[in-house]
Amino acid sequence: DTGVSQNPRHKITKRGQNVTFRCDPISEHNRLYWYRQTLGQGPEFLTYFQNEAQLEKSRLLSDRFSAERPKGSFSTLEIQRTEQGDSAMYLCASSYRQLTEAFFGQGTRLTVV
Amino acid sequence: AQTVTQSQPEMSVQEAETVTLSCTYDTSESDYYLFWYKQPPSRQMILVIRQEAYKQQNATENRFSVNFQKAAKSFSLKISDSQLGDAAMYFCAYRPNTGNQFYFGTGTSLTVIP
Repeated sequence: DTGVSQNPRHKITKRGQNVTFRCDPISEHNRLYWYRQTLGQGPEFLTYFQNEAQLEKSRLLSDRFSAERPKGSFSTLEIQRTEQGDSAMYLCASSYRQLTEAFFGQGTRLTVV
Repeated sequence: AQTVTQSQPEMSVQEAETVTLSCTYDTSESDYYLFWYKQPPSRQMILVIRQEAYKQQNATENRFSVNFQKAAKSFSLKISDSQLGDAAMYFCAYRPNTGNQFYFGTGTSLTVIP
């Protein structure tokens, strides 16, 4: 098991375009988190899945953001009609119910031009 | 509100010396977990150490140890015998036992001077 995998690592997109990121958690981890991190800040919570159910969403997650986790395996985060303010590092993390800590991927750095 | 505060944006330490990074948090919960994560430049965040709030004993992992003061809501990280590889951004994080979110501080950038 190589840990949490995120793709792509970098994404540059024009304002107004849609983008989709993928996260493959550690196998058997039933909990999956998406966080957003901007320069000089700590990660901010976006959303949480337990298996395939999206149980919690931050108010930061506007209606342009949508996340899915079909079959409780990988997850996707889509941003529609991107804005320059969406430029950030998007982090995915996973954990197993018996664990208290989360394991993070390397993130997807989004730049909106 | 549940917040985590790291008041030291930047710290530096001489190689082989000891450094302490500060963290305070605000919560009304009694049962929770605290973590220190390390984020090297352009690399993924990894767990350094964790502390269960119900445990009075401070956690230790090799050169890393914490000073957990529950009443003061303080959770500092001590790095002994600092190494060049310790240079990174360090984030303090909190997770309530009843919740799903991890709350992070704004981080402390640690520089290790050879």
